[in-house]
Order: sequence, then structure tokens, then C-alpha cells
Amino acid sequence: GAVVSQHPSRVICKSGTSVKIECRSLDFQATTMFWYRQFPKQSLMLMATSNEGSKATYEQGVEKDKFLINHASLTLSTLTVTSAHPEDSSFYICSLPDRGDNEKLLFGSGTQLSVL
Amino acid sequence: QKEVEQNSGPLSVPEGAIASLNCTYSDRGSQSFFWYRQYSGKSPELIMFIYSNGDKEDGRFTAQLNKASQYVSLLIRDSQPSDSATYLCAAVSGSARQLTFGSGTQLTVLP
Repeated sequence: GAVVSQHPSRVICKSGTSVKIECRSLDFQATTMFWYRQFPKQSLMLMATSNEGSKATYEQGVEKDKFLINHASLTLSTLTVTSAHPEDSSFYICSLPDRGDNEKLLFGSGTQLSVL
Repeated sequence: QKEVEQNSGPLSVPEGAIASLNCTYSDRGSQSFFWYRQYSGKSPELIMFIYSNGDKEDGRFTAQLNKASQYVSLLIRDSQPSDSATYLCAAVSGSARQLTFGSGTQLTVLP
């Protein structure tokens, strides 16, 4: 079965609303989780590293006030896209290191966000 | 310059043929390399990883690494229509040991 559970799989929302995406580690505790974004026919781009009990680390160019990350427990990280706009429409994927090995990632099933 | 580059394709091969997917990377310090398969609308799944120069075989898949040429490839033998997907090459690079992905090569295996 899936090791990483991501919900929802698809979201359609109006411009200006906020959307929360959840990522859960089902089999083991994860102090670190990663959030990626993928536009059509493009590569996965790392947005931020979610750290349990501390602030997330954001990649250059990613607005931390727009993409809120909360990693309140060892099994759950959430990404909230605040005041979503059509240009935020993308495939958002969470991942976590396979039993602590940062080089081998397990991916969630992804969330397709469409902002109207 | 992109850190990990792939030919976006699309690459089409007939069923039963060998599919060859190529990838180059710019960070000479990269030590670990990965191939992920991504079906349309789905998240990536790891199919191969390679750390040492040479070939690594796993079933129908063979990963090849040439650090001197900064080149990684994936061969798929006896290609099946179910192999049709986008294949992402990734390398661990930088002081933060981050995984950097290429843009992917779309493979179609024709029945």
C-alpha cells in the first residue's frame, strides 16, 4: 500500500480562495518532507523543505507568505496556497525521504490544483 | 544552464525494442543518480538508482553512468506499451544534497 498519503488529489477553486493540501507519512515518522510543484511538461521544482517542529526552508523565488507550510507532527505536513490565482494552477507533490535517506524519495500521489 | 538536462522527446519505439533514454548533468560533484517513471497525472516512482561508473541492471532496466562525460542513461529492454510514460532523470548535487530533476523524456511504446 501507499507509504505517503496526499489529499486531496484534485482541487478546483475560485481565484482568491485558499487551498490546503495534506501529506501524511503512513509507515514511519518523517522529520523532513519536501513540497514540489510541476507545471505541464516541465520538471519537478522543489518549493520548500518542511521540517517538523521548526520553520520550513523555502527555495529562492517561492513566497513563504503565499505558500504556508506546517509540519506539526512527525507524520503530517500541510501546504496551504493562500489567495490562489490562476498562475498557481499546477500539480503539487509532496515527498519524504525513504526511512531517512534524503536521496531516495517517496512521493505522494499529487494534487492537481486548478484556480479559476 | 540547467543542472540536469534531458531530451524531452517524444521518443517512440516499437514493442519489444530497446528504448534508450539519456541525461546529462552539470555538477561534476554529483554522486547519486536516479531514474523515475511518471505516468500522466500521477506522481513519480523510483525505478533505478546508480552511484558508480558503469552499468547497473535490474530486470529489463539498465542504468549506465559515465562520470567523466557527466552522462547517465537508462535502457529499457523488451519495451512494453505499459512502459509508455515520462522518465525523469535526477541527480543529487550541491552542498545541501538536494535532488534536482530533469524535465523528463516522454516515451511511447507502440504495440
